[in-house]
Amino acid sequence: DAGITQSPRHKVTETGTPVTLRCHQTENHRYMYWYRQDPGHGLRLIHYSYGVKDTDKGEVSDGYSVSRSKTEDFLLTLESATSSQTSVYFCAISEWTGSRNTQYFGPGTRLTVL
Amino acid sequence: GQQVMQIPQYQHVQEGEDFTTYCNSSTTLSNIQWYKQRPGGHPVFLIQLVKSGEVKKQKRLTFQFGEAKKNSSLHITATQTTDVGTYFCAGPRNRDDKIIFGKGTRLHILP
Repeated sequence: DAGITQSPRHKVTETGTPVTLRCHQTENHRYMYWYRQDPGHGLRLIHYSYGVKDTDKGEVSDGYSVSRSKTEDFLLTLESATSSQTSVYFCAISEWTGSRNTQYFGPGTRLTVL
Repeated sequence: GQQVMQIPQYQHVQEGEDFTTYCNSSTTLSNIQWYKQRPGGHPVFLIQLVKSGEVKKQKRLTFQFGEAKKNSSLHITATQTTDVGTYFCAGPRNRDDKIIFGKGTRLHILP
């Protein structure tokens, strides 16, 4: 699975607490993504990164921030978690074949905000 | 904005029956990809189609890319319990290098 790990795999937290999710990859991929998956919404892009210290917002970025200080790690932070952020979070990397972008996903983090 | 839509959202079939899911894009796509997500798992890349009218097979799975490169289908022949999961199509967003995913079709197999 393209050497992608996510931690933690499960987390329960309370409203208002900060939460950081980690995505780690071992194959030096330049592009990394954070998605959330909710019933009826499919996969929605939160933030992405196209290199160290280069990040940008996706379609549902409000309430989330990211950092990428090393190629292998992409961190997603919920500064003050809310119940609406209860979801499954997937990290992904891109493999490029010419101009074609194929994505490979990590195992996911199930986050519950009480 | 650009959209990728899938139908049906849910499908229940008897084991052994065939299954088809359809994907439609609001814009022409340079390629289309299919992913499968088992219950409790993560999306896994299945295949990519690039050419107009392309048909590819993977055992009992047949993937088609429409002539206008705006639609695609995935057909599973004689479903098995191992086919259970959600099937997503995805295409590149025109204005940048990101991918847009359809909302998926969840397949449930009745024994």
